Formats: sequence, C-alpha cells, structure tokens
Amino acid sequence: SQKIEQNSEALNIQEGKTATLTCNYTNYSPAYLQWYRQDPGRGPVFLLLIRENEKEKRKERLKVTFDTTLKQSLFHITASQPADSATYLCALVNAGNMLTFGGGTRLMVKP
Amino acid sequence: NAGVTQTPKFRVLKTGQSMTLLCAQDMNHEYMYWYRQDPGMGLRLIHYSVGEGTTAKGEVPDGYNVSRLKKQNFLLGLESAAPSQTSVYFCASRLAHSYEQYFGPGTRLTVT
Repeated sequence: SQKIEQNSEALNIQEGKTATLTCNYTNYSPAYLQWYRQDPGRGPVFLLLIRENEKEKRKERLKVTFDTTLKQSLFHITASQPADSATYLCALVNAGNMLTFGGGTRLMVKP
Repeated sequence: NAGVTQTPKFRVLKTGQSMTLLCAQDMNHEYMYWYRQDPGMGLRLIHYSVGEGTTAKGEVPDGYNVSRLKKQNFLLGLESAAPSQTSVYFCASRLAHSYEQYFGPGTRLTVT
C-alpha cells in the first residue's frame, strides 16, 4: 500500500542553524510533492510545490529537494528562527490528483 | 477575503447524535475537501467535490455524508456520531488549475 513517512520525533535545533526534515514514500509515483506548515490549533498553510522533473525548489530561506529514485524529499530551512517552530507536513499528489499527507514532523527552534 | 471558514469551532456530541459542519470559501475555488486529522495519522481525506452539485468519496468516507449545493459551501454531515469520529476536521479548497490547497481553521469534535 502507499505510504508516506515523516519523522514523528520532534526536531530540536538552535537558532541560526539549518533545519532539515525528511519525507520518504513507498509505492507511489507522485507527479508533485508539497510541503505545508501547521501551527498548533490552526489549519495547514501551503509552502512549496515541487514537480517530479524538478530536483530542487527554493523560496526565501526554504529549499526543497525531490529525489524520485530514492523516493525522498528533503525540506531545509536555513538560518532558522524561533518563529519557524511548527509542524511541517509533506503531501504527495497521486494519480487521482488527490493529496496524501504524511504525519508531519514538529520543529522546535531554540533561541 | 475571509478565505476558508468553518463552523463551528468546537462541538461535543453524544453517541448517536447528528450534526453538520459547514465550510465556506470566498475565493471562487472549484475544488473543496473535507479531511480529518488524528494524532500520528496525518490528514485523511473524507470526501471531496470538484464542483457545485458533485461529490466523491475519499479515503475514509464511512459514517459521513456531504453536499455541495452552492459553489462556496461544502457541508459535512454525521448522521449518527460514534466515538471513533472524535477528531479535528479541516476543510480545504483550491482552484482547478492549481494544486495549492487553502485550509480552514478546523473544527474540534468530541463524541462521548
């Protein structure tokens, strides 16, 4: 069956460092992959979309890579700030154009 | 623009009771979705709609019904609530030509 895995353990890093979050998937051939941010008690907010033929996408301090051979996406936040603390969700667009979400990874940036 | 709004924000039901969750969007989006989010399980798609008057089942549709009578509204109904339906429910919408989904603030439902 199709599966998306994100590290369920919280990632704790120091302010100013680069945070790297991982999204692995199996039994998928997604055309697109998205990353969302979710703050406690709120709905997810779209951050980035990367297509299967794109290796890397950047937006300000955010960078996403997409390796269809490894079936993995990496999400980087450079020069992290306490305000970046949130849960980050990976989502794949499947053949039916539906989004399937991973369980999310909580990021804590300490000052 | 209010974006995507959900009503109510919180609700407690007893087993067997019914209720309707309302989602409204003012962005003229064609597609609308209902998800539930449970700890450790991520967001799971319940039902969705690709346009006014059309609905389809998602990953976990049992126990829920939906209606899309107007383009801007998407209703989620629970006919006979069960404790397993205790969850946080999110509505989302998007334009037909974009994969970016816009989410509402969620409804926290507890069934006792």
